[in-house]
Amino acid sequence: NAGVTQTPKFQVLKTGQSMTLQCAQDMNHEYMSWYRQDPGMGLRLIHYSVGAGITDQGEVPNGYNVSRSTTEDFPLRLLSAAPSQTSVYFCASTNRQVGGWVSPGNTIYFGEGSWLTVV
Amino acid sequence: GQQVMQIPQYQHVQEGEDFTTYCNSSTTLSNIQWYKQRPGGHPVFLIQLVKSGEVKKQKRLTFQFGEAKKNSSLHITATQTTDVGTYFCAGRDSGYALNFGKGTSLLVTP
Repeated sequence: NAGVTQTPKFQVLKTGQSMTLQCAQDMNHEYMSWYRQDPGMGLRLIHYSVGAGITDQGEVPNGYNVSRSTTEDFPLRLLSAAPSQTSVYFCASTNRQVGGWVSPGNTIYFGEGSWLTVV
Repeated sequence: GQQVMQIPQYQHVQEGEDFTTYCNSSTTLSNIQWYKQRPGGHPVFLIQLVKSGEVKKQKRLTFQFGEAKKNSSLHITATQTTDVGTYFCAGRDSGYALNFGKGTSLLVTP
């Protein structure tokens, strides 16, 4: 059981390039999301998905695309990288909400992070 | 939209001292969660609070959810160097989004 797996761990991009951050979970979680973390800003939600075929925007969606063709995978695409997208990206997954965001006893799992630098 | 404010931003304590971080929301929350992130690591789920006035303990950590479900606190008794990291609260109102506070970075010196 690998949990939440993110790749790549480190990436340097040139302005204007595109790339995809991969996220996969093997826990059959319905809910997956992407966050970015910048110094002093905490974790900000980019996009999320409540199940296969369903995605929605979070707080900072501009410049990013997502898709959810399977329960396991939730890739994040940078369409045309900009220096402002230099950040640490975290993917997270959790079970379907039952009577609330996460039923008591459920755990939200984060991937180990992807460090992205855009030059 | 919902905002979650967390204070203080930084806290430096001597080992053995207590530590508290506070989380306040502009709206009523359905639940609140706490996470710990070690330097260079990823956030790790600590606990979720759901009920008004709820208090939960995990060894030296005490978590509280306010009566109005708009604020929460995490208190660590007798800090240890292993407590070093950033502690985040995250709140959810009626929607799906989980809004994180900016975190409190704890430094513990021996």
